[in-house]
Amino acid sequence: GESVGLHLPTLSVQEGDNSIINCAYSNSASDYFIWYKQESGKGPQFIIDIRSNMDKRQGQRVTVLLNKTVKHLSLQIAATQPGDSAVYFCAETPMDSSYKLIFGSGTRLLVRP
Amino acid sequence: GAVVSQHPSRVICKSGTSVKIECRSLDFQATTMFWYRQFPKQSLMLMATSNEGSKATYEQGVEKDKFLINHASLTLSTLTVTSAHPEDSSFYICSARPPGRGSNQPQHFGDGTRLSIL
Repeated sequence: GESVGLHLPTLSVQEGDNSIINCAYSNSASDYFIWYKQESGKGPQFIIDIRSNMDKRQGQRVTVLLNKTVKHLSLQIAATQPGDSAVYFCAETPMDSSYKLIFGSGTRLLVRP
Repeated sequence: GAVVSQHPSRVICKSGTSVKIECRSLDFQATTMFWYRQFPKQSLMLMATSNEGSKATYEQGVEKDKFLINHASLTLSTLTVTSAHPEDSSFYICSARPPGRGSNQPQHFGDGTRLSIL
């Protein structure tokens, strides 16, 4: 039978505003973290990554912040656009895990025009 | 660069049919590819790690006789869902890591295969 899916947390923002998406990761031994964007019916698309020896990394319109003390990761999107509407997943790679990715539960971002 | 192609994008078939899904790395060689499964409104769950030239490594709870993985070349891994039943209906996604840079290299994903078993 069909699975009953979890209800994804949703962040609704006005076009042009900044968005902050948060993620709590599970493994204190993880040393590499990635944010992915998934649009409906498609595979995840790489956005930005960060290693555990850093606490901030910037890309084009995106910034990732890593707080290892509380095992927290955030993705900041500046000047959010309608095309940013998607589900965003954080993913972690534990050390010595043969490059496996462990995905977070995801956040749906809705951008209001 | 780092393009991963998955085929077919959608399959609808009768219960009991076996279905093969292909995952190709188009512009790089991948000794390791990964297969995930995603139910509606849920996250991606790793099913298995596909290793070129050797047996796949399955995650706990994934039946290796049900989900056959073959990684016969550096650019192609296949997942065969054998004797599929309605509960196997899901979104199957593959990924691959471009070589180099140690563990700090993002996986790149295909666009998934929507499998519907009637």
